[in-house]
Amino acid sequence: SQKIEQNSEALNIQEGKTATLTCNYTNYSPAYLQWYRQDPGRGPVFLLLIRENEKEKRKERLKVTFDTTLKQSLFHITASQPADSATYLCALAKEAGNNRKLIWGLGTSLAVNP
Amino acid sequence: NAGVMQNPRHLVRRRGQEARLRCSPMKGHSHVYWYRQLPEEGLKFMVYLQKENIIDESGMPKERFSAEFPKEGPSILRIQQVVRGDSAAYFCASSPPAAGRIETQYFGPGTRLLVL
Repeated sequence: SQKIEQNSEALNIQEGKTATLTCNYTNYSPAYLQWYRQDPGRGPVFLLLIRENEKEKRKERLKVTFDTTLKQSLFHITASQPADSATYLCALAKEAGNNRKLIWGLGTSLAVNP
Repeated sequence: NAGVMQNPRHLVRRRGQEARLRCSPMKGHSHVYWYRQLPEEGLKFMVYLQKENIIDESGMPKERFSAEFPKEGPSILRIQQVVRGDSAAYFCASSPPAAGRIETQYFGPGTRLLVL
């Protein structure tokens, strides 16, 4: 079965630095991969989606890469701010189409210190 | 345009009681997903529904759990005869009809169920 691994240890960085979070998966390649942010006591909020045929996607200070050979996605936050502190979740879809069940990583906690 | 609504936000039940969790998807969304999240665990898919149809319930326990998404009204996740192990945060997400093959899921704030 599909397995997703994210950095289990919390990531602590200084404000202004770039945060890099990792998502590794096994077995088959997903049709697409998504990154979400989750704050305590709240539901996940969608950030970025990257398709299997895309190498990189950007949105403001966020950048996602997708390496299907390494079976890995990297999530970068540049010029990080304390407000970026949250848990970041990686989720992948086995296939586009009728089965849209997402498989989720456990998330990586990010703390940006002022 | 209101987001995904879930109620109640917090629900306390005693063992053996029934829990009913409600989810109103975003306007225009016809697909609903239910997830369960336990502390130190990731989101676990439970069920995927479209209006009046269960598309995929492979993540839902066979007993005591049921879900529906009627033609009118919210989607309901029902847990009968709750046990302490059912205590968790239950999230609902919705997505629009597939304009393409890829869509994003929009999550509600969750219902935190505590079974005493």
